Amino acid sequence: QQPVQSPQAVILREGEDAVINCSSSKALYSVHWYRQKHGEAPVFLMILLKGGEQKGHEKISASFNEKKQQSSLYLTASQLSYSGTYFCGTEPTNAGKSTFGDGTTLTVKP
Amino acid sequence: KAGVTQTPRYLIKTRGQQVTLSCSPISGHRSVSWYQQTPGQGLQFLFEYFSETQRNKGNFPGRFSGRQFSNSRSEMNVSTLELGDSALYLCASSFVRDRSTGELFFGEGSRLTVL
Repeated sequence: QQPVQSPQAVILREGEDAVINCSSSKALYSVHWYRQKHGEAPVFLMILLKGGEQKGHEKISASFNEKKQQSSLYLTASQLSYSGTYFCGTEPTNAGKSTFGDGTTLTVKP
Repeated sequence: KAGVTQTPRYLIKTRGQQVTLSCSPISGHRSVSWYQQTPGQGLQFLFEYFSETQRNKGNFPGRFSGRQFSNSRSEMNVSTLELGDSALYLCASSFVRDRSTGELFFGEGSRLTVL
């Protein structure tokens, strides 16, 4: 079962902040985040592992609530280059299969 | 180092035909996953291969199949194509840690159009 992302779309002005949420009904081993620009492949941003380990982009942060099986991606002081569709991928504790949410489209305007 | 390479990038087929897509993972990556991406459907998991074995499978009909070779390169095949199979097919490789696939590195995809 795929994770649920919210909101579906966000429109921001440069310099504003955004939060994208991802929740799963299953116990999770990891959550990972990707950004896809139009016509391009998804690009890895961040991975959060059960137990607290994180690895990813310097200017983007995320949290992982293991008890609630929820993750949030925090985009601060947004730039025009942040525009794109953000996907969360989740991997259940029985591992091996990453399923993705439907994505959140972020548009940053000047 | 070279990224994930998918071929062909674009192809057009007609209903009833079959198609084979190829994916060369990043050197050293032993896990290859395939996804179907359509507008409004996000990324739908097809299957994952690790060391030539299919480790996981999504909810797609048997017309969708795949395999992985000893050099980790992977192919996926779709037989008896339907109009609804038109999509971007993405391949992703990863360096497997424990049993987790970890972060995925995506290729640019093969865009299939079925007429």
